[in-house]
Amino acid sequence: NAGVMQNPRHLVRRRGQEARLRCSPMKGHSHVYWYRQLPEEGLKFMVYLQKENIIDESGMPKERFSAEFPKEGPSILRIQQVVRGDSAAYFCASSPSQIIMGQGSYGYTFGSGTRLTVV
Amino acid sequence: EDKVVQSPLSLVVHEGDTVTLNCSYEVTNFRSLLWYKQEKKAPTFLFMLTSSGIEKKSGRLSSILDKKELFSILNITATQTGDSAIYLCAVGYGNKLVFGAGTILRVKS
Repeated sequence: NAGVMQNPRHLVRRRGQEARLRCSPMKGHSHVYWYRQLPEEGLKFMVYLQKENIIDESGMPKERFSAEFPKEGPSILRIQQVVRGDSAAYFCASSPSQIIMGQGSYGYTFGSGTRLTVV
Repeated sequence: EDKVVQSPLSLVVHEGDTVTLNCSYEVTNFRSLLWYKQEKKAPTFLFMLTSSGIEKKSGRLSSILDKKELFSILNITATQTGDSAIYLCAVGYGNKLVFGAGTILRVKS
């Protein structure tokens, strides 16, 4: 079991370029969650997706950010026209089904993250 | 606004010391409190707490939750250099986790 796989591990983009971050969930998992960790801050929830559906995007910035989880292939977090403030570590997690925290669940497993640097 | 506050922000101890990390929270619809250890890569799960006053233990680590006072502590006894990491506290509700900023622990040999 390879765990949650994220790539690339490191990504450097110039201001104004697009960044695409990929997340392959654990085998058999159909739910994906994206979190962002800014320097000196904790992880912040961005979006929760099931296959072909966005369930909760309350943490996504209103502009330039989008996420998808197609029927086949990895989940993609896309950032258009990146700015320096987008520099952060982006973590993905997956679960086999909907997780209701505190009901016999151990939460979910995180990938190793993609560190985005905007220059 | 939901909030999770960890203290201290950072801590330096010597091997063999005991440390206590604190986490207080203000979260609507609280379901659980989780502790994670983050080294250079992904946060790794340590504990999930849902009930007050019940200590959870794993080796030299233990944690307890006080739902009345809205806080949790994580204890590490007989610290080792391998315990050096960022310790993250998070409160779960629904499908989300709200994280604190973390406590940076450095254990010197």
